[in-house]
Amino acid sequence: NAGVMQNPRHLVRRRGQEARLRCSPVKGHSHVYWYRQLPEEGLKFMVYLQKENIIDESGMPKERFSAEFPKEGPSILRIQQVVRGDSAAYFCASSPPGGYSPLHFGNGTRLTVT
Amino acid sequence: AQSVTQLDSQVPVFEEAPVELRCNYSSSVSVYLFWYVQYPNQGLQLLLKYLSGSTLVKGINGFEAEFNKSQTSFHLRKPSVHISDTAEYFCAAGFQGAQKLVFGQGTRLTINP
Repeated sequence: NAGVMQNPRHLVRRRGQEARLRCSPVKGHSHVYWYRQLPEEGLKFMVYLQKENIIDESGMPKERFSAEFPKEGPSILRIQQVVRGDSAAYFCASSPPGGYSPLHFGNGTRLTVT
Repeated sequence: AQSVTQLDSQVPVFEEAPVELRCNYSSSVSVYLFWYVQYPNQGLQLLLKYLSGSTLVKGINGFEAEFNKSQTSFHLRKPSVHISDTAEYFCAAGFQGAQKLVFGQGTRLTINP
């Protein structure tokens, strides 16, 4: 079984451009989570989605950031008008339905804003 | 507030020495706990988990952790480390009523020959 697939692995954007990060969960997993990891820091929760629904976006900045998990296709984390402070590793994780399941992580997308 | 704290940002040890990485949590509801390992430029890999039952949990690569409710701790231990254990280790907690995991700041384990 393929694990969580994230692409691209590395993404370079100039300030003001848009960044789109994609995540395909483990087959059969209907829950997707996005986390951000800044240098020398732990993982900060951003958003939790189920198919076509945002369940918890309490960790996502109110402006410029959005996430979706459509009925078909990967989950997308979109950052509009990127700034240098958005440079980080963004990790996607997935889990099956039901409580208390471990999260399965992808290898991350490393965003660099120049 | 619900939180996870890893008390040591870096832990250097010699090869074949024992190691303990500390993790404490704060919660007013039931909690379930995990340890993950992150190798350079990779995602997080599950080491072990505590959901309920026996408080001593064994994981992969010879690691184990003990849930201590009175101390609100979930420390990770290995009796003898190898060079290949060099990585970042994250403690994480899930809290009853919330699906997401909350992570600690991470502990960088470096093994000296």
